[in-house]
Amino acid sequence: DAGITQSPRYKITETGRQVTLMCHQTWSHSYMFWYRQDLGHGLRLIYYSAAADITDKGEVPDGYVVSRSKTENFPLTLESATRSQTSVYFCASSAGTSLYGYTFGSGTRLTVV
Amino acid sequence: AQSVTQPDIHITVSEGASLELRCNYSYGATPYLFWYVQSPGQGLQLLLKYFSGDTLVQGIKGFEAEFKRSQSSFNLRKPSVHWSDAAEYFCAVGNNAGNMLTFGGGTRLMVKP
Repeated sequence: DAGITQSPRYKITETGRQVTLMCHQTWSHSYMFWYRQDLGHGLRLIYYSAAADITDKGEVPDGYVVSRSKTENFPLTLESATRSQTSVYFCASSAGTSLYGYTFGSGTRLTVV
Repeated sequence: AQSVTQPDIHITVSEGASLELRCNYSYGATPYLFWYVQSPGQGLQLLLKYFSGDTLVQGIKGFEAEFKRSQSSFNLRKPSVHWSDAAEYFCAVGNNAGNMLTFGGGTRLMVKP
């Protein structure tokens, strides 16, 4: 099945725990992105990756870690979850730069209690 | 730094009526502009994009947008709204490096029967 898939769809975790959100795409797109969506803020870029082993910070990277050992996977880790990280997280991919337009996953709704 | 403002948080229109969603951007160079739509519980889908050339661009689902440099605007329009158009709409601006899309806060469209 082709596309961009995120897992899990829903996650509840406790403050201080480490949690990893997964993102997998089947198009071999070079670019991948993580955004968080919060009411009143729209979507804000957390991290992005231009290729395997190349990652860079976005607008709100603090408290998050990413890796990209394979082109198709781009996991996002919250090293020590905080309540302020309760959000909906979207992964996206693009064949090239943003000029191509992004393809988004269905999102992961994360609640930190 | 680039930024996008969508002045209307909510808009309600009657089915069959025309629609215009406002978007204002701030970017020093020629902007790359996008409109995305998000249905409930889903990721974002690209409606249309503007890079250069004709300032009126056509997109999917009968939407169009007009780039007005003098007004720093990229408003989305549809001549006749259908109930299935109820969703949240996001305007975005891309930087010239192509590695970052900045989104507006979104406009939630409701359609009255």
